[in-house]
Order: sequence, then C-alpha cells, then structure tokens
Amino acid sequence: EPEVTQTPSHQVTQMGQEVILRCVPISNHLYFYWYRQILGQKVEFLVSFYNNEISEKSEIFDDQFSVERPDGSNFTLKIRSTKLEDSAMYFCASKLAGAYNEQFFGPGTRLTVL
Amino acid sequence: GQQLNQSPQSMFIQEGEDVSMNCTSSSIFNTWLWYKQDPGEGPVLLIALYKAGELTSNGRLTAQFGITRKDSFLNISASIPSDVGIYFCAGSGSARQLTFGSGTQLTVLP
Repeated sequence: EPEVTQTPSHQVTQMGQEVILRCVPISNHLYFYWYRQILGQKVEFLVSFYNNEISEKSEIFDDQFSVERPDGSNFTLKIRSTKLEDSAMYFCASKLAGAYNEQFFGPGTRLTVL
Repeated sequence: GQQLNQSPQSMFIQEGEDVSMNCTSSSIFNTWLWYKQDPGEGPVLLIALYKAGELTSNGRLTAQFGITRKDSFLNISASIPSDVGIYFCAGSGSARQLTFGSGTQLTVLP
C-alpha cells in the first residue's frame, strides 16, 4: 500500500542552524502539507502546497519557514534559522485532488534544537 | 481560528468494553476525520465523514458527523489491546487545512 515517507526520522541541530526536512508524498497525490506536533500537544497545521505554490499557511509559518517541491517526488520543509521552540515532530501529509479531504500522514521527523 | 474541543482527555477501559469519544467545534466543518496515533508515529486515518448526519463504520469503529456540522463522535466496540493509542478528531471547513482536537488517550486494561 502506498505511503508517505519522511527523512530523517530524527534531526538534532544547534540553534540558529538551517534544517531541511524531506518528504516523499504518495505518488498520485497533488496536495501536500506540513504539520507539526510539539511533544504532548495536538497536531498543528503549518502550510499546504498545490500546483507548485503555497495555497494556505498558518501564523506559525513565518519567514523562517519555506517549502519546495524540487522534483517530481520530493517535498521539503526548510527552517532557515532554528529556534529552541522549533523542537517538535514534523509531519508531512498528502491527498488526492478533488473534494475529499482525506489526508495521509508520514511517520514524522523529530526535530531537536539544542 | 477554529477551535476543537475533544473529550475525554483520557480513558481507561477493560478489554471488551465499548468506548466513545467526541469533538465539538466553535464553527461549522465540511469534513470530519478521525485519526489514531501510536507513540513516535504519524496519525493514521481511521474514518472520514463528509455529510451532516452521516454515520460510517470501519470494522469495530463507528463515527458520526453531527447534524449541526459542529460535532462528531467516534465509538469503538469490543475493545482489544491494540486499540491503545491517542485518537484525534480533525475537521476542515472551506479551507483544506485540518484543525486537530487535543486527543483522547485510550488505555485498554486486560
């Protein structure tokens, strides 16, 4: 069964460093998302991406964040200068085109900022 | 922004018992989804609901989309040990982004 994959599973970085989190969405999906989950809290929306551009973003997704689909399979989230409060699980999700909003999530990348 | 209240926050039940959890929203949703999350993993989609009043089953799981479009519940019948985990409701309105509830931690006792 096709699934969303994410790498790395765990990323440790120093405050102020740049990180890139990578995702391979399900191959025939056209909508892509990043969510984050701070330890013990609920999942929060960051950004959605469709047709090679951002379609929605939350207040969390400030100028330090960017997304890119560099090729036909990868979808990346870049954090330019990490802060301690960026430590969280980051989940990629994807969905088919159309009205149904069934989003399928990857296993996540645990980002730890020291 | 949209707020989802999910209850209960945690439940301890005996194996074989039924369990029910629900979510209420401050605003109308067009879609309700229920996910299960195991420790250290991503949310796994259990059930999707798209119409007010819709009742949908997936094995031992049953979920309903409330008539007001502001609430949903999930029932699990005859619980088993592998039902342990955190259950999240999620809703979306005209925007496709999902708003998640705070989760229900389910523990099944043998």
